[in-house]
Amino acid sequence: SSELTQDPAVSVALGQTVRITCQGDSLRSYYASWYQQKPGQAPVLVIYGKNNRPSGIPDRFSGSSSGNTASLTITGAQAEDEADYYCNSRDSSGNHLGVFGGGTKLTVL
Amino acid sequence: QVQLQQWGAGLLKPSETLSLTCAVYGGSFSGYYWSWIRQPPGKGLEWIGEINHSGSTNYNPSLKSRVTISVDTSKNQFSLKLSSVTAADTAVYYCARGISGVVVVAATPKRYYYYMDVWGKGTTVTVSS
Repeated sequence: SSELTQDPAVSVALGQTVRITCQGDSLRSYYASWYQQKPGQAPVLVIYGKNNRPSGIPDRFSGSSSGNTASLTITGAQAEDEADYYCNSRDSSGNHLGVFGGGTKLTVL
Repeated sequence: QVQLQQWGAGLLKPSETLSLTCAVYGGSFSGYYWSWIRQPPGKGLEWIGEINHSGSTNYNPSLKSRVTISVDTSKNQFSLKLSSVTAADTAVYYCARGISGVVVVAATPKRYYYYMDVWGKGTTVTVSS
């Protein structure tokens, strides 16, 4: 079982806004990072830290955090955003371990 | 531009030892957590463990008894060994560069960050008799 909890699937109409959430005790201390994974490809970092995007990630991707919940928001979702999204953090044990959420399958309608 | 190139045996028999290596090109080796992650077919990502340039390791408790991650700083490489594999270890294995630290904000409790910004392309490992 994962210490980070994500909804298994979310859908959004083309051009609309969607929020993908991740819950876990460690998120009270750690900012979540978010990864996009398309079929047959390695994950790609899309959000890290408080709300930072690596070079090349469109500004429609943003991150936020409140309490034990982190969110990834896609404002104006595009067809190419259809993918699996994973959150990631250290765990809550204090032993400096990594942990991933179970992943959210985003469908763009 | 940092790149990770990984390689290793793709087909193993049960009870054998999985061995993968990841080479780091184009960047510093120190100051990062060199990580291994795996993904079973049709499933999510699982963090296996990490090592820093000085050899300090952290392992997923569920795999700790079978995992060894090592580093060769002279070659800018790090390696994963997973012993006594079974069919449950069939997965795509990724290496990645991890970054972890603290956000210093004077007026609020400290927050920390952790992320993996560079990934290898993945190696498919199948365990079958």
